[in-house]
Amino acid sequence: TQLLEQSPQFLSIQEGENLTVYCNSSSVFSSLQWYRQEPGEGPVLLVTVVTGGEVKKLKRLTFQFGDARKDSSLHITAAQPGDTGLYLCAGDVSDYKLSFGAGTTVTVRA
Amino acid sequence: EAGVAQSPRYKIIEKRQSVAFWCNPISGHATLYWYQQILGQGPKLLIQFQNNGVVDDSQLPKDRFSAERLKGVDSTLKIQPAKLEDSAVYLCASSLPQAPSEQYFGPGTRLTVT
Repeated sequence: TQLLEQSPQFLSIQEGENLTVYCNSSSVFSSLQWYRQEPGEGPVLLVTVVTGGEVKKLKRLTFQFGDARKDSSLHITAAQPGDTGLYLCAGDVSDYKLSFGAGTTVTVRA
Repeated sequence: EAGVAQSPRYKIIEKRQSVAFWCNPISGHATLYWYQQILGQGPKLLIQFQNNGVVDDSQLPKDRFSAERLKGVDSTLKIQPAKLEDSAVYLCASSLPQAPSEQYFGPGTRLTVT
């Protein structure tokens, strides 16, 4: 059983469209991270959110941490083919141990 | 700044054989992690080191998996004997002691057990 549930599992969109992926849990996290993983590579940290209700923007990516610190979302505006990848969320469990979701595979078609 | 280095990148072995993976973390990162990522899943923590001491190995199948970090820098993960279900990508990550949640990953080793 995954501690963090990510949805959707797969997402395929046309270049220029917007998308949102979700990360949900029944557990409260002290912080939550979003990573992007490209084929054949390790995950790359995109952002860390720590405060309930926090919104962080990274160029065309907007990350939100839920008020109760149990869920998060990632919104991409005007997606580009370079945004293609596996998006993973990870939450702090005890002793700074990270628990990862299964990820959302995003494909942006040119 | 050099990233986390791992080798080999790919390995194919038969079941019941042994295999070892090597990791060199980012310089100055005292914390080192080994993860297993099965296709279609997120990474699962196998073992966490702080310098050369084990912090968490609760998810490591100790009957066949072992890991060491003798001098607090490089680390080796070994599987002996391998099973078909060990086919996965093995990721090494490291972090600074003051920011353990912000982990930097290597490219991984893709293991195929036939």
